[in-house]
Amino acid sequence: EVQLVESGGGLVQPGRSLRLSCTASGFTFGDYAVNWVRQAPGKGLEWIGFIRSRPYGGTTRYAASVEGRFIISRDDSNNVAYLQMNSLQTDDAAMYYCARGYGWFDPWGQGTLVTVSS
Amino acid sequence: DIQMTQSPSSLSASEGDRVTITCQASRDISIYLNWYQQKPMKAPKLLIYDASNLKTGVPSRFSGNRSGTNFTLTISSLQPEDVATYYCQQYDNLPYTFGQGTKLEIQ
Repeated sequence: EVQLVESGGGLVQPGRSLRLSCTASGFTFGDYAVNWVRQAPGKGLEWIGFIRSRPYGGTTRYAASVEGRFIISRDDSNNVAYLQMNSLQTDDAAMYYCARGYGWFDPWGQGTLVTVSS
Repeated sequence: DIQMTQSPSSLSASEGDRVTITCQASRDISIYLNWYQQKPMKAPKLLIYDASNLKTGVPSRFSGNRSGTNFTLTISSLQPEDVATYYCQQYDNLPYTFGQGTKLEIQ
């Protein structure tokens, strides 16, 4: 079964950092891009960035709202992608999803909740 | 950024009804438009990609269409399990952007 599982969410103070993980199974992880999408409580979906697969350079792109604060990386040997979140702000509080693919996102993980509060 | 405008924002219909949700792009995005279904407290799931291609395993009552910068998601006969919020998403240009969502309920 193709599956993505996020972990690492929790409560963090404003200005601090947090790293989320996205662990994949059931497919050749290194062949695919990984996206991160977030959803603030009661709100819609916001794409925040992706990392391309190694054959496509392994490069990253980000939304303006997180550029310079968030970093996406990947470890293909362990089938994991990461979202390093720095200088967290209260409006970064959201459910964070990872999702596979270029263009369309399929599948998605179940999400991990990040709360930013003092 | 490309703006995606969905309508309506909420919709209530009866079982068996034909339901249509619309998504308009702020500029030409060709066919690069996807639709997702998100049930309460669950992650989104892909329904349709490239405007009109049904993902394998998705019921055939779901369909997608494109007319210029206007896209539609149609449910031909609404079922109770279709209660969810539906999102469109463009990938013609970065950043990828989503519509604001359409919450679908059954009367």
